[in-house]
Amino acid sequence: DGGITQSPKYLFRKEGQNVTLSCEQNLNHDAMYWYRQDPGQGLRLIYYSQIVNDFQKGDIAEGYSVSREKKESFPLTVTSAQKNPTAFYLCASSTFLGGADTQYFGPGTRLTVL
Amino acid sequence: DQQVKQNSPSLSVQEGRISILNCDYTNSMFDYFLWYKKYPAEGPTFLISISSIKDKNEDGRFTVFLNKSAKHLSLHIVPSQPGDSAVYFCAATGAGSYQLTFGKGTKLSVIP
Repeated sequence: DGGITQSPKYLFRKEGQNVTLSCEQNLNHDAMYWYRQDPGQGLRLIYYSQIVNDFQKGDIAEGYSVSREKKESFPLTVTSAQKNPTAFYLCASSTFLGGADTQYFGPGTRLTVL
Repeated sequence: DQQVKQNSPSLSVQEGRISILNCDYTNSMFDYFLWYKKYPAEGPTFLISISSIKDKNEDGRFTVFLNKSAKHLSLHIVPSQPGDSAVYFCAATGAGSYQLTFGKGTKLSVIP
């Protein structure tokens, strides 16, 4: 079964702690993305990676970090510097065609910072 | 500044009727447009897309229309079914960019 998996589905953390969200894909896609969704808002891009060992900041990268050591994996770390981390986080992937790519999404992780 | 706008936060339609969801964009560099459907607490599911070289794309009950001069696209669902009730996001990209720019979504409710 090809797809994108995100774990865990729900995550609770205390304020001031770093937390890492997992994203794995077996679609053989080159590009991977992290988005954040807040209530009543569209999806906002945090980071994206076109190839292994390379990634770029999206529109709201402050307080987040990523790594891309393997093609299949693109973990996102929400650091204590992120001022409002409680949100629904979505990972996506696409082929490396440039432009007319369809991004496919994982099921998401709901992060709640207490 | 929102580059992709979905001005209707919600829409209610009777089962069997047509649902029309609208999306406007401001960036003339956008040349590829997508619609995603999203249920609560789940990831968006790709529905249908259209390239700027076309003005219509159809897939079963779903048709997307693109009016480049008006920078407007719409998603038509005919006939609407209760299972279509979800939030629909319009997204756009272009000029070789890998970034999708999303609208804020329209919540569709199909009433049995």
